Amino acid sequence: AQTVTQSQPEMSVQEAETVTLSCTYDTSESDYYLFWYKQPPSRQMILVIRQEAYKQQNATENRFSVNFQKAAKSFSLKISDSQLGDAAMYFCAYRSVTGTASKLTFGTGTRLQVTL
Amino acid sequence: EAGVAQSPRYKIIEKRQSVAFWCNPISGHATLYWYQQILGQGPKLLIQFQNNGVVDDSQLPKDRFSAERLKGVDSTLKIQPAKLEDSAVYLCASSPPWGFSTYEQYFGPGTRLTVT
Repeated sequence: AQTVTQSQPEMSVQEAETVTLSCTYDTSESDYYLFWYKQPPSRQMILVIRQEAYKQQNATENRFSVNFQKAAKSFSLKISDSQLGDAAMYFCAYRSVTGTASKLTFGTGTRLQVTL
Repeated sequence: EAGVAQSPRYKIIEKRQSVAFWCNPISGHATLYWYQQILGQGPKLLIQFQNNGVVDDSQLPKDRFSAERLKGVDSTLKIQPAKLEDSAVYLCASSPPWGFSTYEQYFGPGTRLTVT
């Protein structure tokens, strides 16, 4: 079974600065998807960024980028030019591509605080 | 396009009572998921439907939880009888049919259940 580990329960960043959230995972599969989801106090999970394991190029979405290290099974999220609206819980998630079962396996989350 | 709808948003019940949650996925989405998110943890899959058939219910406590998806559209999740440890947020998510960006799951706002 796959596992996802987020070792940083809380992180803090000043507005306009850069912060990196860590995620490691364990799997025996060679192809899979990885995601970062944002969950604000409203509880709705919002997709931030995704990475297909077969792609060597790191995904980028505006101020959000990832550092995907497949051999190390590491998938960190970098937020540049942090904004107050970035404050939320961030979850790293794994999804298999084999078979019809396509559940997301989530980490325990990192609470990001953004200060002035 | 309307998002995933869930109701109610909040529910408070006493232990041993029963409760039901409702989910309406995005139109045309074949796959529907129910996740349980206990405070301080990431969401955990309870059950996955493909149209109106069950794909994965390995982590559903079947002695007290049940779920159905009639006509492959709306779904209900029921707990009977509830226990204190069932206090959590119940998230519904849906994803498009195979071949249409199947990696992404769209989440509803969740139902926060408190069992006293």
